[in-house]
Amino acid sequence: EDQVTQSPEALRLQEGESSSLNCSYTVSGLRGLFWYRQDPGKGPEFLFTLYSAGEEKEKERLKATLTKKESFLHITAPKPEDSATYLCAFPSNTGNQFYFGTGTSLTVIP
Amino acid sequence: SQTIHQWPATLVQPVGSPLSLECTVEGTSNPNLYWYRQAAGRGLQLLFYSVGIGQISSEVPQNLSASRPQDRQFILSSKKLLLSDSGFYLCAWSVGTRNTIYFGEGSWLTVV
Repeated sequence: EDQVTQSPEALRLQEGESSSLNCSYTVSGLRGLFWYRQDPGKGPEFLFTLYSAGEEKEKERLKATLTKKESFLHITAPKPEDSATYLCAFPSNTGNQFYFGTGTSLTVIP
Repeated sequence: SQTIHQWPATLVQPVGSPLSLECTVEGTSNPNLYWYRQAAGRGLQLLFYSVGIGQISSEVPQNLSASRPQDRQFILSSKKLLLSDSGFYLCAWSVGTRNTIYFGEGSWLTVV
């Protein structure tokens, strides 16, 4: 059965303290790995899509990487405005549905 | 550019009352449409998805239903709400298969 697991559940960082969030997946044939950011009380906002092992994408202080079993979201020198919940997701075999992990709640302390 | 509108943003409903949440997408044709629910502190749970008018697939059997009366309109309904229906409901859309899905701002439902 296809599954995705995110860790840690919550992460507190000092401003400027770099770290990584993990998304481990068990999928019978990866069809894309998606990262989203969700602010409290709002809908998730799309960040990145990765399709093949070794692929990397960057946006400001965020960099997403992908291996055959997991994806990492690296946060370099985070700022308080990076505080949010980060979700990863993948599409089903049919591609018509997306399954989400439970997310990592990131808090960046000034 | 494409936009998605979802309403109402918040509502408080008594147990046993009906529910109607509406979502519309602009700027695209024949989108895939989704309803997700996010309970407090939990992940996104796919409730329904639709690949076309009148085509609804249900992921979770419950007292909710969905309808797609027009190409870019998706409605989530219930005849009688339960306390357990409380949560954050999100409408989303995508085009094609395995492509990025985009979310609306969400609707907070509290059943009292």
